[in-house]
Amino acid sequence: KQEVTQIPAALSVPEGENLVLNCSFTDSAIYNLQWFRQDPGKGLTSLLLIQSSQREQTSGRLNASLDKSSGRSTLYIAASQPGDSATYLCAVNDYKLSFGAGTTVTVRA
Amino acid sequence: GAVVSQHPSWVICKSGTSVKIECRSLDFQATTMFWYRQFPKQSLMLMATSNEGSKATYEQGVEKDKFLINHASLTLSTLTVTSAHPEDSSFYICSASYPGTSGRGYEQYFGPGTRLTVT
Repeated sequence: KQEVTQIPAALSVPEGENLVLNCSFTDSAIYNLQWFRQDPGKGLTSLLLIQSSQREQTSGRLNASLDKSSGRSTLYIAASQPGDSATYLCAVNDYKLSFGAGTTVTVRA
Repeated sequence: GAVVSQHPSWVICKSGTSVKIECRSLDFQATTMFWYRQFPKQSLMLMATSNEGSKATYEQGVEKDKFLINHASLTLSTLTVTSAHPEDSSFYICSASYPGTSGRGYEQYFGPGTRLTVT
């Protein structure tokens, strides 16, 4: 059974600082890995999807890396802003999605 | 593209009644749909997977007689919570998937979720 772990569980940083969110998974036989953002009481917003054959994906200030052999992915958010405050979820797709518990980010103005 | 809708967005029902939640893929044909549940401050947990025209596959610990899933067409799946109780109050989210042609195989597209409150 796929186990997905996200560290840290919560993170508080001043505006402008770079964010580093970590995700690890136990079974490397995956199709892809996806990072989502979830605001309180809301659904999921897909941020980045990395196929199993890829090493990283970038979108604006977001960059996600994938090291399938070691079962790790990292989401980097550059120059954080208060609007980046949310919970970030990592999900591993081996046909079914297995979610981590999330990292709740607070960016202080 | 790849938009998924859910209806209703929120519902309040009395204990013992049943409630149906719809999940629709608006601009693609979903070969597979998934239903997730999220309790407050927790992550999403997969409840069941359904393929069009087939019986749903339920995850361990999910009561199939309580959570009825119907995937009648390639654009519609429904989740019916039967004889709902307060402990069923949760955020229910569906997703839809298709093999795809853009190399993003089996990506899941999520609906906005349905907040169920059982009183």
